[in-house]
Amino acid sequence: GAVVSQHPSWVICKSGTSVKIECRSLDFQATTMFWYRQFPKQSLMLMATSNEGSKATYEQGVEKDKFLINHASLTLSTLTVTSAHPEDSSFYICSARDTGRETQYFGPGTRLLVL
Amino acid sequence: GIQVEQSPPDLILQEGANSTLRCNFSDSVNNLQWFHQNPWGQLINLFYIPSGTKQNGRLSATTVATERYSLLYISSSQTTDSGVYFCAVANQAGTALIFGKGTTLSVSS
Repeated sequence: GAVVSQHPSWVICKSGTSVKIECRSLDFQATTMFWYRQFPKQSLMLMATSNEGSKATYEQGVEKDKFLINHASLTLSTLTVTSAHPEDSSFYICSARDTGRETQYFGPGTRLLVL
Repeated sequence: GIQVEQSPPDLILQEGANSTLRCNFSDSVNNLQWFHQNPWGQLINLFYIPSGTKQNGRLSATTVATERYSLLYISSSQTTDSGVYFCAVANQAGTALIFGKGTTLSVSS
């Protein structure tokens, strides 16, 4: 149980295009999901908190117009990187909190390379 | 915000050795989780342990909440234990986990 999936696992795109990443909780409902970013050899940095049916809360320094988050259902949150640039290349990981519990479960991550 | 410090940053072991990884945190927590990040980047849940002691096979963890630290023990290490171990905490219900910088473990045969 407690499986979180992400799609796609890899994406390569040209500079200026937009990329959508999906995060799904497969066997539990997640009122809250979180999006993290990880650069090589570094730790995970929280980008935003996504609550079902409401606007996401972004961490300081994260551009909300660039990283659009939509949490339309209790099992799906999406992160759209708009007008991607090479500096947006990174490993993006989502997590989901099982409603009513504190344990958080992480997806396998999405590697984004912007050329 | 809450600070999380992990030590040591790097650890090199021979197969079969035991090790202890430490996580210090700056405030009281209601969530503490240990993860192993494999070479493909997947974070594997090891323990949810905001307090107390748990064991799972060769791994065990202890959190002393009053003293704001947690320990992860790995016994009889294997090459497959290699990777980065993260400690992550949250100090409010339902909030995101804040990660330490991790301990990179290398186990050689």
